[in-house]
Amino acid sequence: DSGVTQTPKHLITATGQRVTLRCSPRSGDLSVYWYQQSLDQGLQFLIQYYNGEERAKGNILERFSAQQFPDLHSELNLSSLELGDSALYFCASSLQTGGPSYEQYFGPGTRLTVT
Amino acid sequence: AQSVTQLDSHVSVSEGTPVLLRCNYSSSYSPSLFWYVQHPNKGLQLLLKYTSAATLVKGINGFEAEFKKSETSFHLTKPSAHMSDAAEYFCVVSEGNYGQNFVFGPGTRLSVLP
Repeated sequence: DSGVTQTPKHLITATGQRVTLRCSPRSGDLSVYWYQQSLDQGLQFLIQYYNGEERAKGNILERFSAQQFPDLHSELNLSSLELGDSALYFCASSLQTGGPSYEQYFGPGTRLTVT
Repeated sequence: AQSVTQLDSHVSVSEGTPVLLRCNYSSSYSPSLFWYVQHPNKGLQLLLKYTSAATLVKGINGFEAEFKKSETSFHLTKPSAHMSDAAEYFCVVSEGNYGQNFVFGPGTRLSVLP
């Protein structure tokens, strides 16, 4: 158990809908990361927040947004969902205060199915 | 931009034999490199990391990896495979000075035969 929690575990929704995925980092970790894992794209970095501020951005679509709250939990919002958004979404956390050398601890993931 | 190549999409070994999972990276800086393992329907677990200290890195469950700058490689090895090692393994290069961006390889699926 990494100490990172994600809810819900599974989510099934229809095209065009909006969903929110939630992540709680390990106790003491200030950085939260979001990743998307799909069969065709592999594991892709979406976005990083550090202590409430956006710190790094990856291949995140404009239909997707995230935020980190004062209690350090984070939410990933996915809107106007398409079939291709079906994937496993991981949250990770780290102590990271700057630089690339900090390991990240991953949650169990949320499996999103868009029908 | 940084990138990671995992040379084998699938590796199959017999229990008790050595494991070699190959990883090559491309990086503009002195990289930080990681290996993660993903068991079926589970999250990713850190096996080991390299951050410019010793080039031979020991990790959990008997795994180790050697950083070779001249070959831009970071291969993962284990002397003796166990059935519980069957999983997907990801090599990761980390970039960024202000933020941190993990770039994942495509993964290598390890099968362990009895």
